Amino acid sequence: AQKITQTQPGMFVQEKEAVTLDCTYDTSDPSYGLFWYKQPSSGEMIFLIYQGSYDQQNATEGRYSLNFQKARKSANLVISASQLGDSAMYFCAMSLANQAGTALIFGKGTTLSVSS
Amino acid sequence: EPEVTQTPSHQVTQMGQEVILRCVPISNHLYFYWYRQILGQKVEFLVSFYNNEISEKSEIFDDQFSVERPDGSNFTLKIRSTKLEDSAMYFCASSEGPPRNEQFFGPGTRLTVL
Repeated sequence: AQKITQTQPGMFVQEKEAVTLDCTYDTSDPSYGLFWYKQPSSGEMIFLIYQGSYDQQNATEGRYSLNFQKARKSANLVISASQLGDSAMYFCAMSLANQAGTALIFGKGTTLSVSS
Repeated sequence: EPEVTQTPSHQVTQMGQEVILRCVPISNHLYFYWYRQILGQKVEFLVSFYNNEISEKSEIFDDQFSVERPDGSNFTLKIRSTKLEDSAMYFCASSEGPPRNEQFFGPGTRLTVL
């Protein structure tokens, strides 16, 4: 069974600084995908970034990058140049790749607070 | 940009009543999902649906729940006899499918059972 662990209930960062949100995962399957979603206070789930288990390079999407360390089974999200609008809950998730209709398994989330 | 839509945004119902939550997935996506999030907790998988049948379901998805794709665009979640503990945000998601299985979520339906 797959498992996602996010050990930081809350993180605080100043505007314009970088912040790293931790995520570790557990699976015995060699083929999987890792995802980060943002949930602002309005409640919607916004897809941020994806990393495949066989991807050689770390994924990047604008100010978001994923620090993928396969041997350590970690997939940390790095947000560069934080903005006030980044204040939200962030969820790490994983699913098995190459399987039809497979579930996303979510971590408990990290609340990020950005101050000016 | 195409997006998943859900209606209603908020549903209030009495315990024991049936509710139907509606979703319109992204048009070229083939896989559809329902998740729920009890207030302050993590997002939990309920069910996935492909080719007009359930692909995978969790232990939460018991006989009180059912899903249907009644036409070419809608995807529905029915709860037959709601309980207080069904109060949650229900998210619909859709994806193109393997290999990335990147799922895009709708804005959610907040279900309140009184």
